Order: sequence, then C-alpha cells, then structure tokens
Amino acid sequence: DQQVKQNSPSLSVQEGRISILNCDYTNSMFDYFLWYKKYPAEGPTFLISISSIKDKNEDGRFTVFLNKSAKHLSLHIVPSQPGDSAVYFCAASAQYTGNQFYFGTGTSLTVIP
Amino acid sequence: DTGVSQNPRHKITKRGQNVTFRCDPISEHNRLYWYRQTLGQGPEFLTYFQNEAQLEKSRLLSDRFSAERPKGSFSTLEIQRTEQGDSAMYLCASSAELGTQYFGPGTRLTVL
Repeated sequence: DQQVKQNSPSLSVQEGRISILNCDYTNSMFDYFLWYKKYPAEGPTFLISISSIKDKNEDGRFTVFLNKSAKHLSLHIVPSQPGDSAVYFCAASAQYTGNQFYFGTGTSLTVIP
Repeated sequence: DTGVSQNPRHKITKRGQNVTFRCDPISEHNRLYWYRQTLGQGPEFLTYFQNEAQLEKSRLLSDRFSAERPKGSFSTLEIQRTEQGDSAMYLCASSAELGTQYFGPGTRLTVL
C-alpha cells in the first residue's frame, strides 16, 4: 500500500523557469515531510523539510507547500538550473511510526539549458 | 568527510552466498536506519536502531536478513542465502533523535 505517491514520473522545465513537483499522501497521521534529491549512483540528499504545523517553508530557491486538508505537498524550485536535474523523492513520517519514513516513487526532473 | 559512509559500494555475488554490508553513521547521531531501493521505486524501510537497540523491523526483512549495531556506532546488514530478488540498492541513513535522516551513498547488490 503506497502511502506516499508521486504521480508524475518525469518533468522537463526550461532553465530559469519554475519547477513544481507534487506529492500526495494518504495517512492523515503524517506530521513531518521532507524532500530529497538523488543523483545516479548516489544516496538521497536532504533538500528541505516541513512539519504539519506550517503550510510553507522556504530555503533559497526551494519552497515546500503543505496542504493538510488535501493531503498534498509540493516543491517549487525557482529559478530552475541545469544542476537541479535529478530524481526528487518526497517522504513522510508520523511520530508514532518511530521516525520511519515512507517515500514516494520519485519524479525525474530535467532542466533544459 | 563526516557524512554517512557505506562499504562496499558495489557487491556482486552468486545466488545462495551470504553478504554483509557496513554502515558508519554521522558520529553524533544515535538513530540508524536501513532502507532498500529497487529500480523505479523510492527507498523502502527495513529496520532502525536507537543506539544499539533494534527498535523496529519491516515485514520486508525476512529471516534471511539480520542487522546489528553492537556498540551503538557502526551497523552491519547481513543477507544469508541470497536470492536474485535481493538485488537492490541498500541505503543506510542516520539522524539525531526525531528529525531529518541523512543518507549514505548506498551499496548496490547484484545477485547472479
């Protein structure tokens, strides 16, 4: 049972434009969410997080939005750069799961120069 | 480099052999996690440790899998009698209490 879903397997964006990556979850108990970026042959690299007490968190070019009523989060990258090309995973956890994270299947972002 | 390290980075083995992977977490992190990732999927949780105690195991962790963290520092993941279905990337992550998990580069296992 996939509790975290990323329905877009791939996304292409022109350099300088905004990239929007989406993630949906089914478990209403999830209270902490993260985005990871992964290059081939490397482990996931932490990008940005948000807890359920917020609806937005910003870090430089990266902003994560959380809509708890819709059980939806999104990652905005603006402006997009070619170095942002990677696979992006969203992950969610709940305190009762002991910090076990559930990951989506990833979205492959290609930023075209 | 004070990040999470994993060894070996790649392992090729024949079906039926035993393999062991090692993970060295970030030194001040007391929580350590093992995940498995297959092609086209996100990482799937296998097990986690708080200090030396193994607190949770996924149903994915069959009895051929065993993990240890004997002194609350590094951890090992052993797979006995490997099967072709065990071929995957095995990822280790660590965190300080409840919070962001930082991943190592992974060990890619290929079972022939």
